[in-house]
Amino acid sequence: KAGVTQTPRYLIKTRGQQVTLSCSPISGHRSVSWYQQTPGQGLQFLFEYFSETQRNKGNFPGRFSGRQFSNSRSEMNVSTLELGDSALYLCASSLMSRLGEQYFGPGTRLTVT
Amino acid sequence: SQQGEEDPQALSIQEGENATMNCSYKTSINNLQWYRQNSGRGLVHLILIRSNEREKHSGRLRVTLDTSKKSSSLLITASRAADTASYFCATVYETSGSRLTFGEGTQLTVNP
Repeated sequence: KAGVTQTPRYLIKTRGQQVTLSCSPISGHRSVSWYQQTPGQGLQFLFEYFSETQRNKGNFPGRFSGRQFSNSRSEMNVSTLELGDSALYLCASSLMSRLGEQYFGPGTRLTVT
Repeated sequence: SQQGEEDPQALSIQEGENATMNCSYKTSINNLQWYRQNSGRGLVHLILIRSNEREKHSGRLRVTLDTSKKSSSLLITASRAADTASYFCATVYETSGSRLTFGEGTQLTVNP
C-alpha cells in the first residue's frame, strides 16, 4: 500500500498570502489529522477530519482551516500568512478515528518571508 | 503547549549500547505511543501501549507504562547508527478522539 502523500513538499510564501496544502491518506483510511511542527512549539495538533467532518480542532486561529473530500483526501488552508506560520506541516491518517496509531506523511515545509 | 515532557532532551551513546528515554504526562490517557522522526521528516510509528498494559515489546524496543506515576519509558537495545533520530512520545486521551499530544522529544545520537 502506498503511504501518506503530501504536496507540495516545500513552499515559500510571502506574508499576507494564503496557502493550500494537500494530503492523500493511505487507501482505506478515513481519518486525517494535521499537525504543525516548529522548533519553539514542537508538534501541535491542528485538526482532525473523519468522513468529511471536522471531529476535533486544536488551538489555532481561524486563519487555519481544512476540509476533507469524499475520497478522504484532505486540504488545509492558511490565510493571511505570518512569519510565525513557517513550519513543517504534517498530515497523518488512521484507519478509523479509534484512538489507534497514525501514519504520517513526509510533511510540507512552509517558509514565510 | 505540550502536555508531556521527555527526558533526556538529548542522548549520545555508542553503537551496541542501550538507550532509554522517559516520558511523563499530566492527565489520564487511553494509550501512549512512541514515534521516531529522522531529520525533520515525517514521523514513524514505533509502538502503542494501552492504559491497561504495563509493558510491550517490538523487536529491539521495549516500552513500559506506569499509570500511577503517569510515565512511560522507551528502551532501545543494542543500538545502531541507524537509530539516530528524534523520539517522541504521544498521548491519546479518552475524550480527544485520535488527537495526539506530543512530548518535546529526545534527540538520540548513536555513534559508530
